[in-house]
Amino acid sequence: GAGVSQSPRYKVTKRGQDVALRCDPISGHVSLYWYRQALGQGPEFLTYFNYEAQQDKSGLPNDRFSAERPEGSISTLTIQRTEQRDSAMYRCASSLEVAISSYNEQFFGPGTRLTVL
Amino acid sequence: KQEVTQIPAALSVPEGENLVLNCSFTDSAIYNLQWFRQDPGKGLTSLLLIQSSQREQTSGRLNASLDKSSGRSTLYIAASQPGDSATYLCAGTGAGSYQLTFGKGTKLSVIP
Repeated sequence: GAGVSQSPRYKVTKRGQDVALRCDPISGHVSLYWYRQALGQGPEFLTYFNYEAQQDKSGLPNDRFSAERPEGSISTLTIQRTEQRDSAMYRCASSLEVAISSYNEQFFGPGTRLTVL
Repeated sequence: KQEVTQIPAALSVPEGENLVLNCSFTDSAIYNLQWFRQDPGKGLTSLLLIQSSQREQTSGRLNASLDKSSGRSTLYIAASQPGDSATYLCAGTGAGSYQLTFGKGTKLSVIP
């Protein structure tokens, strides 16, 4: 079946503008994750949803970043008043439901490359 | 805070060689580990998953192992091919966690 999809693939914006990044998980995956990857680094965790509930947002860098998943499927990561330091690759992943007793493999989308001028 | 080191940062080998990529965690309490491949312009492709009850996984020419006493993992690639050229990332979680902590990756080039 189809993998995780993200849109747009590339986004160039001016400092101070708001941006919305979209993630469509694998069908049947109820857990969804957002990560951010700077150039030359590995991805870093931002936030996680189980169904529509945001279970952990400890990795969001500040209150300009927010995420939602209103119907438990597609998720949107929004960055308000963008700054140049927000430039990075934003990656989304999905998995079967997170359980305390087991770990389910995370599958990643192609990412959105955000450039803030 | 968990930190992950991947050695070497870059590696260039002739086609056909066997090679080993290394990954180590500052906190050895790693319960689950995934190895990924990253190609330019594409997403992360999951290669192997070692879950909490496992020590090793194999898929084709790839073999990954995890030593939980030391927090070290190795990815072994047999008979390398030019198509194996990519950046390889390891990532792990702690007990009951879902947050993957990643290394910076090893950039592999296989020369025909």
